[in-house]
Amino acid sequence: DAGVIQSPRHEVTEMGQEVTLRCKPISGHDYLFWYRQTMMRGLELLIYFNNNVPIDDSGMPEDRFSAKMPNASFSTLKIQPSEPRDSAVYFCATSPSADTQYFGPGTRLTVL
Amino acid sequence: SQQGEEDPQALSIQEGENATMNCSYKTSINNLQWYRQNSGRGLVHLILIRSNEREKHSGRLRVTLDTSKKSSSLLITASRAADTASYFCATDGEGQNFVFGPGTRLSVLP
Repeated sequence: DAGVIQSPRHEVTEMGQEVTLRCKPISGHDYLFWYRQTMMRGLELLIYFNNNVPIDDSGMPEDRFSAKMPNASFSTLKIQPSEPRDSAVYFCATSPSADTQYFGPGTRLTVL
Repeated sequence: SQQGEEDPQALSIQEGENATMNCSYKTSINNLQWYRQNSGRGLVHLILIRSNEREKHSGRLRVTLDTSKKSSSLLITASRAADTASYFCATDGEGQNFVFGPGTRLSVLP
């Protein structure tokens, strides 16, 4: 298996633009997590899904952030409109059983 | 506030020495995990210890858990330059899901 696949790996955009981050989980993993990592706040759980259903979105910072998982093979995290304070590395992680998580390589987002 | 807090924030040792990192947490947990992150990469799972376990080993790694003190330690024996990375503890439990601490930056000098 190729592991968790994230795209793009790097994204540079201007304030106010819409940003869409993508994640392809490991086949057979029923749990999918989105995290954000910054120097100031460390690694924060934004939202997680179980069998494509959002279970806990309490970490989503505000309404500008949304996440979907239309099927077991794909998830998106969207920021609209983006702001400079959204600059961070965004990780997708998946798990077969909600404990051991397998992380993707991350998407480094820079909002100018 | 952070559920898991690693200590120390940074640690520098010579190759061959042992490295010990600690993690403290606040609420009851179901399990505690340790992850490693190399610079610019995603996190890699190292070991999971459940709340009813006290010690676990995996290769050169030894993890202990003391639920009465709400703390865990990660010991890396006979460290190598390749162990240079940041190490995070993550807790899952009462009222809080998958909370990561700020990490310990370990530097192993050749």
